[in-house]
Amino acid sequence: DIQMTQSPSSLSASVGDRVTITCRASQSISSYLNWYQQKPGKAPKLLIYAASSLQSGVPSRFSGSGSGTDFTLTISSLQPEDFATYYCQQSYSTQFTFGPGTKVDIK
Amino acid sequence: QVQLQESGPGLVKPSGTLSLTCAVSGGSISSSNWWSWVRQPPGKGLEWIGEIYHSGSTNYNPSLKSRVTISVDKSKNQFSLKLSSVTAADTAVYYCARDHGYNQKRSFDYWGQGTLVTVSS
Repeated sequence: DIQMTQSPSSLSASVGDRVTITCRASQSISSYLNWYQQKPGKAPKLLIYAASSLQSGVPSRFSGSGSGTDFTLTISSLQPEDFATYYCQQSYSTQFTFGPGTKVDIK
Repeated sequence: QVQLQESGPGLVKPSGTLSLTCAVSGGSISSSNWWSWVRQPPGKGLEWIGEIYHSGSTNYNPSLKSRVTISVDKSKNQFSLKLSSVTAADTAVYYCARDHGYNQKRSFDYWGQGTLVTVSS
């Protein structure tokens, strides 16, 4: 199995802050890395696919970068609706695996 | 706009079999997509269970493979999950999702709303 880790596990930030979340794979996964946002009681929502491609309809303040084993999700200016939990997920292996999540809450 | 809707019992007895169905609307299950099940125990993270293609080809999470069966019914535009020998550890919100893309460039772009299944006597 490809193991995914995320850091930090949680963070507190203010509206307007720049936020960066890191995801690391236990082996190289090229650029086959996706990011999801999940709000309480809701299904996850795809934000970024293939490491850096913005899903249709997702605000441009979200961006992704990285390849190999290290990836980042950046929110350039945090908005009130962005307080949520963020998950990375690898699709390099058909045995898909998710990171443990990063909870972003209000400072 | 593709929509997915899970259905099935919300309560299953220990050692029993969990059975869920995902109805797909707004698109054909025979399109060039895989279809997946993902679960989330209360307060925890996401776990991929397995996927199916309209041809019937499947891939399963190795940790669940011995207990999982995913099937497709093209006539009803739906796919199903069966998880046998359940325990309290299988209590979770179960999501179905469209697994979009090709080769390794794949992502879950449409999700059902999720259904809570509790394993309890």
